[in-house]
Amino acid sequence: NAGVTQTPKFRVLKTGQSMTLLCAQDMNHEYMYWYRQDPGMGLRLIHYSVGEGTTAKGEVPDGYNVSRLKKQNFLLGLESAAPSQTSVYFCASSYSRRRGIGIEAFFGQGTRLTVV
Amino acid sequence: TQLLEQSPQFLSIQEGENLTVYCNSSSVFSSLQWYRQEPGEGPVLLVTVVTGGEVKKLKRLTFQFGDARKDSSLHITAAQPGDTGLYLCAGARGSNYKLTFGKGTLLTVNP
Repeated sequence: NAGVTQTPKFRVLKTGQSMTLLCAQDMNHEYMYWYRQDPGMGLRLIHYSVGEGTTAKGEVPDGYNVSRLKKQNFLLGLESAAPSQTSVYFCASSYSRRRGIGIEAFFGQGTRLTVV
Repeated sequence: TQLLEQSPQFLSIQEGENLTVYCNSSSVFSSLQWYRQEPGEGPVLLVTVVTGGEVKKLKRLTFQFGDARKDSSLHITAAQPGDTGLYLCAGARGSNYKLTFGKGTLLTVNP
């Protein structure tokens, strides 16, 4: 049982380049999330999805786009990378015990992105 | 503005000591979760608390949810080097599925 798988694990981009981070989960979870983690800033929510075909903005959505065409996949896109987007990106999926109560998230291993 | 404030930010103790870390908010949460993250890994869920005043124990770890469901604490008894890591609290408000995290407490337990 793979859980949540992120690809790639490492990437170096030049300023202005674009890329897509892929997140795949095999737990049939409804909810999926993209976070970035920076030193001293904790985990900040970029975008999230409450089901196939739906997405919503989190705390720091600017410069990112997402898509959830299939329930098991959640893609994070950077159209024109900037040095400020250097970070570790985590994808998570979760279920809810009951209507948003007790959301328990399972995380991938992270993608370390450097923009030079 | 951080919705969930964690304290202390850093904590370094000796093996065998007890410690408590806190997660506070001015907002009411339908539930709070605690996660532990080790270097190079994603966070791993430790516990979920749902009911105000709830206390849950996981071996040497005791988790408490405040009566007003605005705060939570994690107490570790007789800390061990294996407890070293970043402890994060997280929660969602109402029936909102937007899961937000505090900045975490970085715990180091020295042998």
